Amino acid sequence: GQNIDQPTEMTATEGAIVQINCTYQTSGFNGLFWYQQHAGEAPTFLSYNVLDGLEEKGRFSSFLSRSKGYSYLLLKELQMKDSASYLCAVMDSNYQLIWGAGTKLIIKP
Amino acid sequence: IAGITQAPTSQILAAGRRMTLRCTQDMRHNAMYWYRQDLGLGLRLIHYSNTAGTTGKGEVPDGYSVSRANTDDFPLTLASAVPSQTSVYFCASSREVNNEQFFGPGTRLTVL
Repeated sequence: GQNIDQPTEMTATEGAIVQINCTYQTSGFNGLFWYQQHAGEAPTFLSYNVLDGLEEKGRFSSFLSRSKGYSYLLLKELQMKDSASYLCAVMDSNYQLIWGAGTKLIIKP
Repeated sequence: IAGITQAPTSQILAAGRRMTLRCTQDMRHNAMYWYRQDLGLGLRLIHYSNTAGTTGKGEVPDGYSVSRANTDDFPLTLASAVPSQTSVYFCASSREVNNEQFFGPGTRLTVL
């Protein structure tokens, strides 16, 4: 079966760095996406990885290792507004997104 | 309209009633999707459409139907609602099937 695993909840301090991990087992691979979802709102696109390595976009970076079925989202200089759920999703061989349940990130002052 | 819109924002529905959730995008995206989001679970794909005139079944299609008569609109119909269909429903679109998806604001549906 297809499976995406990520931690349910994480806590970090304002100004610090946090890494959210995601492991996956899917039928085929056409890229991995990270989305941010604030409570009561829609998911918004953060990053996309299809090749191994690190993609940096401002305070956010995303890493992919296809051989290990592993990705992480790195958030630097955390701000209170980063409190949200972070969703990992893998595009399978049918170009459909398989979603993890999301990691709720709590930022403390 | 800017982006993707959904209506209604929320709805309380009696079991057995028919309900259509509306979704419209003005980005000329080819692909559109309907998901449901339940607490503790990832987004689950209900139905999708890769281009106008075509539709396909996702992971949880039972009890739902869709149509894609034109590029902009992708309504989702519950023929006879049941309490297990209580959920938050998100419509999304993407330029092509392998591009990032953009989400509408969601419809919170409660079936009693």
